[in-house]
Amino acid sequence: AQSVTQPDIHITVSEGASLELRCNYSYGATPYLFWYVQSPGQGLQLLLKYFSGDTLVQGIKGFEAEFKRSQSSFNLRKPSVHWSDAAEYFCAVGGLLSGGYNKLIFGAGTRLAVHP
Amino acid sequence: GAGVSQSPRYKVAKRGQDVALRCDPISGHVSLFWYQQALGQGPEFLTYFQNEAQLDKSGLPSDRFFAERPEGSVSTLKIQRTQQEDSAVYLCASSLEVRTYNEQFFGPGTRLTVL
Repeated sequence: AQSVTQPDIHITVSEGASLELRCNYSYGATPYLFWYVQSPGQGLQLLLKYFSGDTLVQGIKGFEAEFKRSQSSFNLRKPSVHWSDAAEYFCAVGGLLSGGYNKLIFGAGTRLAVHP
Repeated sequence: GAGVSQSPRYKVAKRGQDVALRCDPISGHVSLFWYQQALGQGPEFLTYFQNEAQLDKSGLPSDRFFAERPEGSVSTLKIQRTQQEDSAVYLCASSLEVRTYNEQFFGPGTRLTVL
């Protein structure tokens, strides 16, 4: 069965420190991978996505993610965190098993807190 | 140029009441999705529309849940005889085309609380 695991429920970092949020997936075909961010009272905003090609993808707000097929991982990184990055982050997987449309499977999310 | 909008933003219902949640997708978007997000969880797929056709309702938790998109734009998610376990945020998303790599744009959600 398809699934997404985000092992860290909460992460706290200091402003200016680097960040890595982990995501592991299980998918029976080539996955399409996504990272979304959700701020309180806001909808989900797409940070970046991976479909094929270069395994290191760049997104908005200075985020990047690396697809590692051998590890079934798609970890999100940022070299220097800003206080405004405090939010909940969701990894999601979709693809050809979705029936031709993009039915996404989400992880449980990682809540990021940023200390000044 | 507005994004996806949802109404109401908050809904409190007594157990057993019927509720209707509305989604206005981005104009011209073919695909429309409903997701349910329980507290502390990621969104879970409920149903999918391609224009007015409901092509996938595999995620609807029971026959108390019903969704429609009669003219291929606005969609309504209806929950009959609400139960406490229905309390969640209901998210609507739309995308321009059908292809699996198209970005989904999410609305702010409707937070439903069933007392």
